[in-house]
Amino acid sequence: EPEVTQTPSHQVTQMGQEVILRCVPISNHLYFYWYRQILGQKVEFLVSFYNNEISEKSEIFDDQFSVERPDGSNFTLKIRSTKLEDSAMYFCASGKDRVYEQYFGPGTRLTVT
Amino acid sequence: GIQVEQSPPDLILQEGANSTLRCNFSDSVNNLQWFHQNPWGQLINLFYIPSGTKQNGRLSATTVATERYSLLYISSSQTTDSGVYFCAVRMVAGSEKLVFGKGTKLTVNP
Repeated sequence: EPEVTQTPSHQVTQMGQEVILRCVPISNHLYFYWYRQILGQKVEFLVSFYNNEISEKSEIFDDQFSVERPDGSNFTLKIRSTKLEDSAMYFCASGKDRVYEQYFGPGTRLTVT
Repeated sequence: GIQVEQSPPDLILQEGANSTLRCNFSDSVNNLQWFHQNPWGQLINLFYIPSGTKQNGRLSATTVATERYSLLYISSSQTTDSGVYFCAVRMVAGSEKLVFGKGTKLTVNP
C-alpha cells in the first residue's frame, strides 16, 4: 500500500540555522499539507499546497517558513532561521482531492537547541 | 472556526476491556478522520469516516454527521492500543485544513 514518507526522522539543529524537512507524498495525490505538533499539544495545520502554489496557510506559517515541490515527487518545508519554539513534530500529508482523506507521514521530530 | 472536543481526555483500562471514545464538533463537516498516535509519535490513520459506520478488526467507528459527533470503539483492548487517539475534521464550507481535537490518552495495563 502506498504511503507518505518523511526524512529525516529526527533532526537536531542550533537556533538560527536553516532546516529543510522532506516529504515524498503518495504518487497520484495532488494536494499536499504540512502540520506540526508541539510536544504534548494537539496537531496544528501549517500550510496546504496545490498546483504548485500555497492554497491556504495558518498564522503560524510566517515569513520564516516556505514550501516547495522541487520535482515531481518531493515536497519540502524550509524554516529559514529556527527558533527554540520551532521544536516540534512536523507531519506531511497528501490527498487525492480537496475533500477526501488525508494520508499522513510518520513525522520528523525537530529539536532546536 | 470549528471546535473539536474529545472525551474523555484520559482513559485507563485493563487489557481485555472495551472502550468508547467520543468526538464532538461544532459545525458541518465533509471529512472526519480518527488517528492513533503511537509512543514514537507517529500518526496512524484509523478511519476516514465523514458519516456512517466502519469496522476494522477490533476497532470500529460511527459518525452521526447530523448530530455532529463521532464515536470510536475499541474492543478487547491490548497493551499495544495505548497511545493518544485524535479526531480531526474538515468543515464543509471553506477551509481544506484538518482541525484536530486535543486527543484522548489511552493507557491499557496488562
